[in-house]
Amino acid sequence: AQTVTQSQPEMSVQEAETVTLSCTYDTSESDYYLFWYKQPPSRQMILVIRQEAYKQQNATENRFSVNFQKAAKSFSLKISDSQLGDAAMYFCAYRRVGNQFYFGTGTSLTVIP
Amino acid sequence: NAGVMQNPRHLVRRRGQEARLRCSPMKGHSHVYWYRQLPEEGLKFMVYLQKENIIDESGMPKERFSAEFPKEGPSILRIQQVVRGDSAAYFCASSGTGLSYEQYFGPGTRLTVT
Repeated sequence: AQTVTQSQPEMSVQEAETVTLSCTYDTSESDYYLFWYKQPPSRQMILVIRQEAYKQQNATENRFSVNFQKAAKSFSLKISDSQLGDAAMYFCAYRRVGNQFYFGTGTSLTVIP
Repeated sequence: NAGVMQNPRHLVRRRGQEARLRCSPMKGHSHVYWYRQLPEEGLKFMVYLQKENIIDESGMPKERFSAEFPKEGPSILRIQQVVRGDSAAYFCASSGTGLSYEQYFGPGTRLTVT
């Protein structure tokens, strides 16, 4: 069975600094997608970034980038130049071929001014 | 293209009443997922449906909870005889077919049981 683990329930970062949120997953499949979602206080879930398992190149979206290590089944999110608006709950998610999604338990990020 | 719609946004029910939560997926999406989120907690998967079919209901409580996604109309999550412990935010998400499609989430329905 697929499981997604986020081992950091809470993280904090100084404004303008860089922070990395970790995510590991367990799977026997070779073809899948990984996602990071952000949930700000408004509770609306927002897609931050996605990664295709068959692509070795790490995905990047502006200040957000991932470190995807397929062999280690690791998918961490790096936020550079952190801003106050980045404060939110962050969820890592795995999508398998059968269209099922699996979410981690989330990491609450605090940005310190 | 409208996003995922959920209604109502807030629902108050007394213990023992029924709660009906509705979700209209994005246009063209045939996969619907329901999640529950308790305060200060993560998303708990409940059920995954396609049109007229329940694909995976492994996260649904065995009693009082049911879900459907009819051929026409929105997906419905139904909670019978609600109890205080059902108070939570319920999120619906939809996706297209294909690995590259992410889930698009609705704004959630906040259920309060008094």
